[in-house]
Amino acid sequence: AQSVTQLGSHVSVSEGALVLLRCNYSSSVPPYLFWYVQYPNQGLQLLLKYTSAATLVKGINGFEAEFKKSETSFHLTKPSAHMSDAAEYFCAVSDRKPDKLIFGTGTRLQVFP
Amino acid sequence: DAMVIQNPRYQVTQFGKPVTLSCSQTLNHNVMYWYQQKSSQAPKLLFHYYDKDFNNEADTPDNFQSRRPNTSFCFLDIRSPGLGDAAMYLCATSTIMGGRTDTQYFGPGTRLTVL
Repeated sequence: AQSVTQLGSHVSVSEGALVLLRCNYSSSVPPYLFWYVQYPNQGLQLLLKYTSAATLVKGINGFEAEFKKSETSFHLTKPSAHMSDAAEYFCAVSDRKPDKLIFGTGTRLQVFP
Repeated sequence: DAMVIQNPRYQVTQFGKPVTLSCSQTLNHNVMYWYQQKSSQAPKLLFHYYDKDFNNEADTPDNFQSRRPNTSFCFLDIRSPGLGDAAMYLCATSTIMGGRTDTQYFGPGTRLTVL
């Protein structure tokens, strides 16, 4: 069965520091993988997705993620954190069960000045 | 811009008083989803429509119902809201690509308060 694990429910970084949010997945077939961001009292917004093309995926707001099959990982990074990056981030996986995404439990990112 | 719209953004109801939340989309996607999200938790899928086919999650209480009268609209009905149903309700849409769901596009959500 497909699943997603996000290590670290809370991550804190200083403004300008590297952001690294971890996501590991399990899937019986090559997956589609997604990162979403959620700001308070808003819906989820797609940051980036992997659908079996380039393994390094660039998204909005300077974020990128690398699909590593050998590590079953899809970690999200940003070289330099900005205060506006403070939000909840969700990793999600879609495999051959056609209609659903499976979400991780989320990581809350705090950015300190 | 194509989008997913939810109305109202904030809904207050009384314990046991039926409430309906609405969702509309201009994306012409054939799949529509309803999620419940409680504070500091991931969205929890309640049910979804694949075209007119209704798919209920096994653990969704009978108190929650849904209607999809056409491609653009989908409604969430809570027949007798309890205090535990207070949450953010998110609507999302997607297409199917390569035999699996592609990007889900979310509305802004409806925050439900139960008094």
